[in-house]
Amino acid sequence: DIQMTQSPSSLPASLGERVTISCRASQGISNNLNWYQQKPDGTIKPLIYYTSNLQSGVPSRFSGSGSGTDYSLTISSLEPEDFAMYYCQQDASFPLTFGSGTKLEIK
Amino acid sequence: QVQLKETGPGLVQPTQTLSITCTVSGFSLTSYYMQWVRQTPGKGLEWMGFIRSGGSTEYNSEFKSRLSISRDTSKNQVFLKMNSLKTEDTGVYYCARVSVPGYMDAWGQGASVTVSS
Repeated sequence: DIQMTQSPSSLPASLGERVTISCRASQGISNNLNWYQQKPDGTIKPLIYYTSNLQSGVPSRFSGSGSGTDYSLTISSLEPEDFAMYYCQQDASFPLTFGSGTKLEIK
Repeated sequence: QVQLKETGPGLVQPTQTLSITCTVSGFSLTSYYMQWVRQTPGKGLEWMGFIRSGGSTEYNSEFKSRLSISRDTSKNQVFLKMNSLKTEDTGVYYCARVSVPGYMDAWGQGASVTVSS
């Protein structure tokens, strides 16, 4: 199975700040990397697919990049609704696997 | 408007069978794969399996021996059944629609399940 390692596990940040969350795969996943946001009530929202493609309706302050084993999610200027958990997920091979999450919290 | 909603028992006894229904609207099950993902305190988010638009299934080997996914297209429902439940199966179970292969572009709100006697 492909292991997905996210860092940091917790990220204190301020409104308006630019932040980056990293995700590393245990082997190359050829850009088959997706990102999701989870709010405290459990609601999961898709953000980005295939490394850098924005889900319809997701604000342009979200962006994704990466290749090989290393990927990242960047939020250019934090808004109040962005403070949540973020998960990466690979779909290069079965079983699909997720990272352990990054908690983006208010500093 | 695409909507997915899971309904489940809430509480299940150890060794018993879990049954959860995902009712969808705004799209056809014959056009999309549907996946089940769970979130447990011990392992976080785990992909469980999916049912293809044509009706065939694929399972995570972690659950293969005790998991079954099926559907009723006439009722717009997808079903998860998992037997031999253990306390470690306590968590939230989500159904999700797949658009781009492997990418879940719509999720239900989740069904919370507690396995306890």
